[in-house]
Formats: sequence, structure tokens, C-alpha cells
Amino acid sequence: GAVVSQHPSRVICKSGTSVKIECRSLDFQATTMFWYRQFPKQSLMLMATSNEGSKATYEQGVEKDKFLINHASLTLSTLTVTSAHPEDSSFYICSARVSRGRDEQFFGPGTRLTVL
Amino acid sequence: DAKTTQPPSMDCAEGRAANLPCNHSTISGNEYVYWYRQIHSQGPQYIIHGLKNNETNEMASLIITEDRKSSTLILPHATLRDTAVYYCIVRVAEDTGRRALTFGSGTRLQVQP
Repeated sequence: GAVVSQHPSRVICKSGTSVKIECRSLDFQATTMFWYRQFPKQSLMLMATSNEGSKATYEQGVEKDKFLINHASLTLSTLTVTSAHPEDSSFYICSARVSRGRDEQFFGPGTRLTVL
Repeated sequence: DAKTTQPPSMDCAEGRAANLPCNHSTISGNEYVYWYRQIHSQGPQYIIHGLKNNETNEMASLIITEDRKSSTLILPHATLRDTAVYYCIVRVAEDTGRRALTFGSGTRLQVQP
């Protein structure tokens, strides 16, 4: 199957610092990756769509200057939370588009961010 | 994507079948029904999908009514590891991958020992 990894799985940082989260497709090339955010007891909310070699497309209400997305290769997309604040504490999940016979998405295991 | 309605929570005894309903009365002819689940603190996992015929795989069975306005996901012998939030999503198949999946509230299934 298609495997998507995320690193780190869990991170705690101080308010005002920046945190980078990596999303990798391990056994396939992903031209498109998606970033979601999930607050406790809520559903996944799409933050942005990341396309390799081009700028990310952000959902309404998501600050592109705060959540920097880089999709520099076909196997790696990164999300950087800049100047993190406690309200940014959340579960961040990426998914990658697979185009092998059947077009579908596979999800990473998620990254738990806690901002103190 | 067509709107879906699911009960917020369900309980099921371990070893028994878990039947999770989903209403999608506005589904279009070219839209498929997809099921994903999310175990606590993990990413969503694909379970099964179908258009109009019933489908079965190693994880579950999907029963779609003849008018396609509702469906049921069946876990034949639920285990404690099946405790999760189950999401029913309706969308056109060829679109899957090009646009992000949209998640509703889902059904929180609690399998009881």
C-alpha cells in the first residue's frame, strides 16, 4: 500500500517559536499533498493544498504567512507554524494523493503540536 | 459533494456486528460512498467505497440501498481495536485525490468488552 509518514509525531514548543512538520510519501510520488488541522473532539479541517513545485492553496481563514507550506519534491511537503501561540496547539495531519490506477488519498499518522 | 448525516455515537459489544448508518439523500448518480475511520490520535484510514452495489473487503461490508439515499457500514465482528470515529463521505470517484476529502462529524463507535 501507499505509506505516508510525518515527523515529528509530537512536539512541544514555547510561544513565539516556529515549528516545522514534515510529510513524506515513502513508496510513491505525490504531486499533491493536503494539510489538515484537528482540534480536540472536532473533525478534520482542511488548511491548504500543496502542489509540488508551486505555491500552496490555502483555505479561507488560514493565514498563509503563519502556516508556511513548501512542497519542494515529489515525496516531501513541509508545514511550518511560525510564531506559534497556544491557540495553534492542535493535531496536524497530512494526506498525499496517489495516482496509481485508482486516484485516492492516504493519510499520515499526524503530528501533535503543543504550544506552551 | 453531497451532504451526509451520521449518528454522533454508537456502542457495540465486542464480537458482535457493528452497523453504522449514513444518510446521503442528495447523492448524485456519479457520486460514490466512501468510508474512512480515525482511531484516536491517528490519521484517517480508508475502509471501503462503493457506487450502488454492495461491497465487501477484509475490513468491512458496505450496503447501499437501492435508491442510494443511504448506506450502512458493517464491521462483522467488532473488536476493541475498532473503537474509532467513522466518517461517511460522498464524492465523485474521479475527483478523489484532486480535491481534499471533506470530513463531517462522523460516528464515534465505542466497542465494549
